[in-house]
Amino acid sequence: DAEITQSPRHKITETGRQVTLACHQTWNHNNMFWYRQDLGHGLRLIHYSYGVQDTNKGEVSDGYSVSRSNTEDLPLTLESAASSQTSVYFCASSMFGELFFGEGSRLTVL
Amino acid sequence: QQPVQSPQAVILREGEDAVINCSSSKALYSVHWYRQKHGEAPVFLMILLKGGEQKGHDKISASFNEKKQQSSLYLTASQLSYSGTYFCGTEIEDNNDMRFGAGTRLTVKP
Repeated sequence: DAEITQSPRHKITETGRQVTLACHQTWNHNNMFWYRQDLGHGLRLIHYSYGVQDTNKGEVSDGYSVSRSNTEDLPLTLESAASSQTSVYFCASSMFGELFFGEGSRLTVL
Repeated sequence: QQPVQSPQAVILREGEDAVINCSSSKALYSVHWYRQKHGEAPVFLMILLKGGEQKGHDKISASFNEKKQQSSLYLTASQLSYSGTYFCGTEIEDNNDMRFGAGTRLTVKP
């Protein structure tokens, strides 16, 4: 079955370290997204991509970057992790408007 | 650009009905509804495109009032399995740049 997977599922890091969260989908969807979820804020869009070599900033993109070198993967990088980036991160891909979410990555920045 | 959901939380008994509202300050192209169980990824329920259509499956339906920039999700004869947090997502153009509301936590009790 086609799927979308995230790794790691849980990570603890220190302030200032670089962190990369992986997202891999096997549906061959062109559109991929990264959201963060915090209590009281719902899901907020960080970055998104409509295809290979295409990336766009979402509403909370500061401190994050993405790259899209193939259709299957959209890694999210925190260049210098901050405590404010402690959150649950969801990757998603879409076809015909429906978003398919990964299981989430819980990141704690100490 | 984030849509506003109301109420923030609702508690029901099995068999009771509920309405969750979603409103935007901008003209909308589409409204999406997702449900998230605790500790899990959000799951797609339905999408409504501008044109005022109403959709539904089983006892969950939704409407979209394009002029008022509002959507409502209707849950009738609620079941225990309906418990979770419901999110509306909105697009102002057909570009998949979807923004989510803060969510409505629905609890159904026996």
